[in-house]
Amino acid sequence: QSALTQPRSVSGSPGQSVTISCTGPSSDVGGYGFVSWYQQHPGKAPKLIIYDVNRRPSGVPDRFSGSTSGNTASLTISGLQAEDDADYYCCSYTNRDTLIFGGGTTLTVL
Amino acid sequence: EVQLMESGGGLVQPGGSLRLSCVASGFTFRSYWMHWVRQAPGKGLVWVARINSDGSSTSYADSVKGRFTISRDNAKNTLYLNMNSLTAGDTAVYYCARIDYASGPLDYWGQGTLLTVSS
Repeated sequence: QSALTQPRSVSGSPGQSVTISCTGPSSDVGGYGFVSWYQQHPGKAPKLIIYDVNRRPSGVPDRFSGSTSGNTASLTISGLQAEDDADYYCCSYTNRDTLIFGGGTTLTVL
Repeated sequence: EVQLMESGGGLVQPGGSLRLSCVASGFTFRSYWMHWVRQAPGKGLVWVARINSDGSSTSYADSVKGRFTISRDNAKNTLYLNMNSLTAGDTAVYYCARIDYASGPLDYWGQGTLLTVSS
């Protein structure tokens, strides 16, 4: 099964907002409200930042938000900060009782 | 504090076998479903397998089905991944991660263990 589709890279200046999209089939992203997003810094384990499309775990700043429209989920990071420079992955639960990740997006804070 | 600690990675020849372990602490291990996720060098995250809380149900990615087996020992708070017929394509950092319901997010991850398949 192919990965969910994410842009390979996005960039923004400190204080700006960026949005990362994640597109998949209706059986995955579009069929369930179980999309999560992970942040990964180089050499580190991934960290959960958004789950169930738009919920934030305790401790994650409200600058991070999620949404969906049709078969596309989106992660928006507002008020960009230097520490947001990282890779971001979406992930969806599927109708085959599996998980599928996006290919990953590298965010560069200029 | 929730902790997941993977071990067992290393260098294996093509066609070989290896078992990875993930020791959990700081939470009631037997109450959680567990997953393995891998990441090839310089590449993205790829889901590998999952097991339910009592070990009675498992699910695998097509790429590892029939070669990898996920299991757990709740008495030892340990998750395992038995890997057979390894190929260069299995070279990756392997992470264990927990979820607290079937469709839930991977809320805690270990630091990973590196498997290298090479002759």
